[in-house]
Amino acid sequence: DTGVSQNPRHKITKRGQNVTFRCDPISEHNRLYWYRQTLGQGPEFLTYFQNEAQLEKSRLLSDRFSAERPKGSFSTLEIQRTEQGDSAMYLCASSYRVGGARANEKLFFGSGTQLSVL
Amino acid sequence: DQQVKQNSPSLSVQEGRISILNCDYTNSMFDYFLWYKKYPAEGPTFLISISSIKDKNEDGRFTVFLNKSAKHLSLHIVPSQPGDSAVYFCAAFGGTSYGKLTFGQGTILTVHP
Repeated sequence: DTGVSQNPRHKITKRGQNVTFRCDPISEHNRLYWYRQTLGQGPEFLTYFQNEAQLEKSRLLSDRFSAERPKGSFSTLEIQRTEQGDSAMYLCASSYRVGGARANEKLFFGSGTQLSVL
Repeated sequence: DQQVKQNSPSLSVQEGRISILNCDYTNSMFDYFLWYKKYPAEGPTFLISISSIKDKNEDGRFTVFLNKSAKHLSLHIVPSQPGDSAVYFCAAFGGTSYGKLTFGQGTILTVHP
């Protein structure tokens, strides 16, 4: 299977603990995105990378959140000092963008990591 | 500030009939629109898209219509099949925002045999 892979699928943690999620994008994709989805809502953009460079961060991404994409391959999303409001599905997506070809901007999503903060 | 809205939380349709899912947007900068389908325990899957230079795009049983003056788009599924039962999300972006999609809340489609 060469789709977007996310680990773990589920994470239960206590308030105040740190958690880290991993995303492995489709191998030839140069862009990687993180989204968050809460119950009854659509996914919300958090941040994205072009290769290893983090190009944009949403104001939803507080200073407790940090994302990395070393060497432009897999990415990690870390949440420090988790709060109950952080409970959500964290989705990773990847795409391959060439120049101004906007029609290629189809994101391929992973199955997500469901975070529950107790 | 919900810039993309799907006002129908759910839709129930008989197999073989047409399913029409609606989406409204408020941001005039949006110029590219996509529909995603999501099954339980899976990530959203791309279905069909449309650029603002078009008013219709068709792919098999799926057709998306765009009415720019009304800031409204719709997804038609004909004929509907039980396997189409899923959550459908409308999404949009514009300008240089590329993959920074703004999603609607989703509509749960149930197709009854």
